[in-house]
Amino acid sequence: ETGVTQSPTHLIKTRGQQVTLRCSSQSGHNTVSWYQQALGQGPQFIFQYYREEENGRGNFPPRFSGLQFPNYSSELNVNALELDDSALYLCASREGGFGANVLTFGAGSRLTVL
Amino acid sequence: QQQVKQSPQSLIVQKGGISIINCAYENTAFDYFPWYQQFPGKGPALLIAIRPDVSEKKEGRFTISFNKSAKQFSLHIMDSQPGDSATYFCAASNQGAQKLVFGQGTRLTINP
Repeated sequence: ETGVTQSPTHLIKTRGQQVTLRCSSQSGHNTVSWYQQALGQGPQFIFQYYREEENGRGNFPPRFSGLQFPNYSSELNVNALELDDSALYLCASREGGFGANVLTFGAGSRLTVL
Repeated sequence: QQQVKQSPQSLIVQKGGISIINCAYENTAFDYFPWYQQFPGKGPALLIAIRPDVSEKKEGRFTISFNKSAKQFSLHIMDSQPGDSATYFCAASNQGAQKLVFGQGTRLTINP
């Protein structure tokens, strides 16, 4: 097991730009979700993907979008970056099925928007 | 109604003492209550979780106490150790480990 890996670990963008963050799920996990963690706050759910389809979304605007690939890896895309998008973006994976409750988080990608 | 309120924001405990972190929720549909531990530079890691059909769950030095009528739950860390120094998050969901709603976190420091 290699756990959940995310890239890049840190990046700096300017307002209005676009960013793509990547995530490799833990082996055997087919469900991936993304969370935004602002400094000093708890993670906030952005959306979840299962079998390449979005099947749940938090209170985030459409400029936050995602993809899940056949190998269960995932991308988070954010368009038209705003200063408030500066945060740690966490990817988490788990096995499919309602009873699978162990959510494994990656170390995150820290985005700074200037 | 989706909020989970966590207190205190920060906590300092002497080695060997008991650390207690509290959370309160509003949504009565929540049926899964995990606690996560996060070290600097790392993602949150599941520590222990409880469902509302039991009032207490213990795993080693970590215990969750759950009060359904008060809509509150707490984490107790017995015999706290310097290695327990981390940020702790409570969370809740009505869909298992999906769409977790997190508290704001508690920074715990265990003094040697």
